[in-house]
Amino acid sequence: GENVEQHPSTLSVQEGDSAVIKCTYSDSASNYFPWYKQELGKRPQLIIDIRSNVGEKKDQRIAVTLNKTAKHFSLHITETQPEDSAVYFCAASKKSGGYQKVTFGTGTKLQVIP
Amino acid sequence: DGGITQSPKYLFRKEGQNVTLSCEQNLNHDAMYWYRQDPGQGLRLIYYSQIVNDFQKGDIAEGYSVSREKKESFPLTVTSAQKNPTAFYLCASSLDRKEKLFFGSGTQLSVL
Repeated sequence: GENVEQHPSTLSVQEGDSAVIKCTYSDSASNYFPWYKQELGKRPQLIIDIRSNVGEKKDQRIAVTLNKTAKHFSLHITETQPEDSAVYFCAASKKSGGYQKVTFGTGTKLQVIP
Repeated sequence: DGGITQSPKYLFRKEGQNVTLSCEQNLNHDAMYWYRQDPGQGLRLIYYSQIVNDFQKGDIAEGYSVSREKKESFPLTVTSAQKNPTAFYLCASSLDRKEKLFFGSGTQLSVL
């Protein structure tokens, strides 16, 4: 089955600096890669996603890159703010028997220091 | 903050007891899922359902059971066979064949 590895597990950055979280996946059939943000005590929410036919996607201060050959994808947050502090999960997804099977990484706890 | 409602927020289980976690959605989504979240282990799939009266085991289904009698509801029962039930449980839903997951606010289950 699919295996998604995520690094680092914790990340501290100064406000205004950039943060990068990296993930690798094992199943070349995975074709959709979402990123979820979970603030303390709240539900995970989708913040950005990328499909396998795209190499990069950007939405304001966040961007995601995908290298299909190497089977890795990354989340980039620029000009970090205290409200970016949260746990971030990457995931790899593919169709399996008519169902979209999603495999999550283990999460990265990001702390933005004011 | 509608969409998916999970209850209760906190639940305690005694030895040998079955407990049921509730998940209700008003998004008219076809697919519903249950995930277990443990510290440092991300989210792991317990069960999923694509339509009413049909559900499939996920990666860690042992010790759990579900039902899908209504489109809006997907309750999860943690049975006494689940020897390590302490975890945060998240319910999610998605439109049929759409990848984006909408999560509930979760239930923290602890063992007394």
